[in-house]
Amino acid sequence: EIVLTQSPGTLSLSPGERATLSCRASQSVSSNYLAWYQQKPGQAPRLLIYGASSRAAGIPDRFSGSGSGTDFTLTISRLEPEDFAVYYCQQYGGSPPVTFGPGTKVDIK
Amino acid sequence: QVQLVESGGGLVKPGGSLRLSCVASGFTFSDYYMSWIRQAPGKGLEWVSYISGSGDIIYYADSVEGRFTISRGNAKNSLYLEVNSLRAEDTAVYYCARLSRGYYDFDYWGQGTLVTVSS
Repeated sequence: EIVLTQSPGTLSLSPGERATLSCRASQSVSSNYLAWYQQKPGQAPRLLIYGASSRAAGIPDRFSGSGSGTDFTLTISRLEPEDFAVYYCQQYGGSPPVTFGPGTKVDIK
Repeated sequence: QVQLVESGGGLVKPGGSLRLSCVASGFTFSDYYMSWIRQAPGKGLEWVSYISGSGDIIYYADSVEGRFTISRGNAKNSLYLEVNSLRAEDTAVYYCARLSRGYYDFDYWGQGTLVTVSS
């Protein structure tokens, strides 16, 4: 099983600041198969980034993804009030074929 | 526009069963793998199962293998999850989601249906 570890568990920042979220895999993940999601309370997750670095439709360009192998990063260049949420990474591959990270909560400082 | 609408959740006793459904619209349903993902109250996301467009490829998480059965009815644009031998730890919101082609991410999600297992 490919285990995803996200850090930090909670990130306390102010609007306008830069957020850097990490996702580390226990084994190498194909860059094609690494995605990031945003989830707000009471809502379903929303796809932000697929293929490690491609923004999904309608996602603002302040969101960017990078990384390869076992280390991936989601960056939010300037936090807007609506960006305070929980962020999950997800990989496809191995057995079981799909795993999610435990999430990083970005909250208001 | 793509829409996924789940139903069938509810309160069930330990050992009981339910059938969850997800009706899809806005895309050619049979062209896509579909999946169930769950989220226990206050917890993270857990992938449960996926099924290919034709229904011939199916995978389950170890935690539900042998108790849950995924299926689809392409003529009805519907995805199903039979959940049997339910345990307290199966209590969660169950989401239906579409797997994107080529990248195996979940590009569209339903709003979820809550399954509560309690005596």
